[in-house]
Amino acid sequence: GAVVSQHPSWVICKSGTSVKIECRSLDFQATTMFWYRQFPKQSLMLMATSNEGSKATYEQGVEKDKFLINHASLTLSTLTVTSAHPEDSSFYICSASYSGFTDTQYFGPGTRLTVL
Amino acid sequence: GENVEQHPSTLSVQEGDSAVIKCTYSDSASNYFPWYKQELGKRPQLIIDIRSNVGEKKDQRIAVTLNKTAKHFSLHITETQPEDSAVYFCAANSGNTPLVFGKGTRLSVIA
Repeated sequence: GAVVSQHPSWVICKSGTSVKIECRSLDFQATTMFWYRQFPKQSLMLMATSNEGSKATYEQGVEKDKFLINHASLTLSTLTVTSAHPEDSSFYICSASYSGFTDTQYFGPGTRLTVL
Repeated sequence: GENVEQHPSTLSVQEGDSAVIKCTYSDSASNYFPWYKQELGKRPQLIIDIRSNVGEKKDQRIAVTLNKTAKHFSLHITETQPEDSAVYFCAANSGNTPLVFGKGTRLSVIA
């Protein structure tokens, strides 16, 4: 149980285009979902926390107009990287929990974004 | 806010030996401490967690200890195997804040 999927697993796009990444909890309802960014050989950097039906809470330094997050249902959250640039290239990972911050977080497999 | 320090950054052990990874945290209100294992290019997977009302927890070859007074917690892996090779992350939080992750420990188990 507690499986989280992400789509796509990898994407290559041209600079200036927008990319949407989906995160789904397959067998449970996730009140809270998290989006992370991970650079090679580095730790997980939290970008934002989203709760179903409400606006996402972004971490300091993360541009909310560039990284649009929508948590429309208890099983789906999307991250849209708008007007992507090469410096946005990274590994994006979502996680989901049944509820709140101290419930176990289950991670998706990640999406590798490469912006040319 | 919370700050989590993790040591060492890399660790090499012989197969069959034990491995210990240590983390310290700064926020005395933190009460949840999970450990994640991440293999190259894959998702982090929870391997064990501990809450502040418990001092030690064990699951087969893996154990975690928590010292709330000193604000540190450790991961212990006994009888290490090559498949234990991965990056391990500790994390900490209280009930009102997101998890804060350590920088990770790259464990190599040499056969």
